[in-house]
Amino acid sequence: NAGVMQNPRHLVRRRGQEARLRCSPMKGHSHVYWYRQLPEEGLKFMVYLQKENIIDESGMPKERFSAEFPKEGPSILRIQQVVRGDSAAYFCASSHLNYEQYFGPGTRLTVT
Amino acid sequence: TQLLEQSPQFLSIQEGENLTVYCNSSSVFSSLQWYRQEPGEGPVLLVTVVTGGEVKKLKRLTFQFGDARKDSSLHITAAQPGDTGLYLCAGAEETSGSRLTFGEGTQLTVNP
Repeated sequence: NAGVMQNPRHLVRRRGQEARLRCSPMKGHSHVYWYRQLPEEGLKFMVYLQKENIIDESGMPKERFSAEFPKEGPSILRIQQVVRGDSAAYFCASSHLNYEQYFGPGTRLTVT
Repeated sequence: TQLLEQSPQFLSIQEGENLTVYCNSSSVFSSLQWYRQEPGEGPVLLVTVVTGGEVKKLKRLTFQFGDARKDSSLHITAAQPGDTGLYLCAGAEETSGSRLTFGEGTQLTVNP
């Protein structure tokens, strides 16, 4: 019974490179959420997606960040031209309908 | 301004003691979740409360949702070293749809 899967678990990028974070929701879940946890800070909502639709992106930075959840395959959080301030743990959660959210283990992004 | 105020931020107690963690807000929540997070891992869902005044028990853990659905508490009876961890409350505001707003967490340490 696989839970939410995220990969990679750890990602190191140099400034200016692109980072792609993947999330496979729990079986039967069609709602995906992305949250960011900066060092010494709490979890902050970024974006909420259903298959092929962005429902709420009110927490996404205006530039360099994008997210998708295609009809087939995992959800992708993409960060272009990464900067040191993007270093954080990025968590994906999934839910059935829009109820309880179950989190994955996270991707730790380090920008050098 | 932190929407969800969680207290205390740190708590260190001896095995066998009881403790209560509080989660307060001026906003009304359609649901509130409690999670526990271990270092390097994602939050693990403990419970969801949705009805004002609701009380849920999970072994030695008792969760309560305030009558006005603005606050919640987590009470642990006879704490054990295995209860050590970061406890997070997270609420879905009535006006904000599915996105969760997290408190900053309570780091609990139970000493043997």
